[in-house]
Amino acid sequence: GESVGLHLPTLSVQEGDNSIINCAYSNSASDYFIWYKQESGKGPQFIIDIRSNMDKRQGQRVTVLLNKTVKHLSLQIAATQPGDSAVYFCAENIAAGNKLTFGGGTRVLVKP
Amino acid sequence: GAVVSQHPSRVICKSGTSVKIECRSLDFQATTMFWYRQFPKQSLMLMATSNEGSKATYEQGVEKDKFLINHASLTLSTLTVTSAHPEDSSFYICSASSQPRDTDTQYFGPGTRLTVL
Repeated sequence: GESVGLHLPTLSVQEGDNSIINCAYSNSASDYFIWYKQESGKGPQFIIDIRSNMDKRQGQRVTVLLNKTVKHLSLQIAATQPGDSAVYFCAENIAAGNKLTFGGGTRVLVKP
Repeated sequence: GAVVSQHPSRVICKSGTSVKIECRSLDFQATTMFWYRQFPKQSLMLMATSNEGSKATYEQGVEKDKFLINHASLTLSTLTVTSAHPEDSSFYICSASSQPRDTDTQYFGPGTRLTVL
């Protein structure tokens, strides 16, 4: 989801269902993308990354999809669990600067 | 591996005082460390990039004289908020890139909650 100011987009998911979180990035020169999970009061935790020469990458229960044509990134979480409740941020990195630009974040709430 | 710590985790100070926050890479050498600020329900905003042994590079709009950054060793960077005011209250997070293993990935610390009264 994209930032809407002070209100984080929220995705409510039933436990056991799959979650899909979307992110639109801005810079066509970005060549490295990362998804982070942030729990309340904690720092971001690395989930999965993908480079611009790939369209898809899978991890444990997570899949990242990259569509460079429309500058879109998504994170899929399979069989969402209560422990997946958090805010998820996408981040893009332009190789020349090694600086991360974060998206606005999406809050995921897992309902039992 | 790739653990980053911050100290303190939480600090409350009076307006006008200075506060120092430490960021340490515990099991790797970090030639580059980054400092972010995060306001409630908002994303992380990069404040500055810190390279060991050189001056930090600040993002536009960040006052370098107010947010002093020192990166004296490969495992330690400090952020000092000078003459803190209530509007400086925020969640400050550092990250570090490990060299030479993975130059792109940033490993984040747990954050420091600063409250200025």
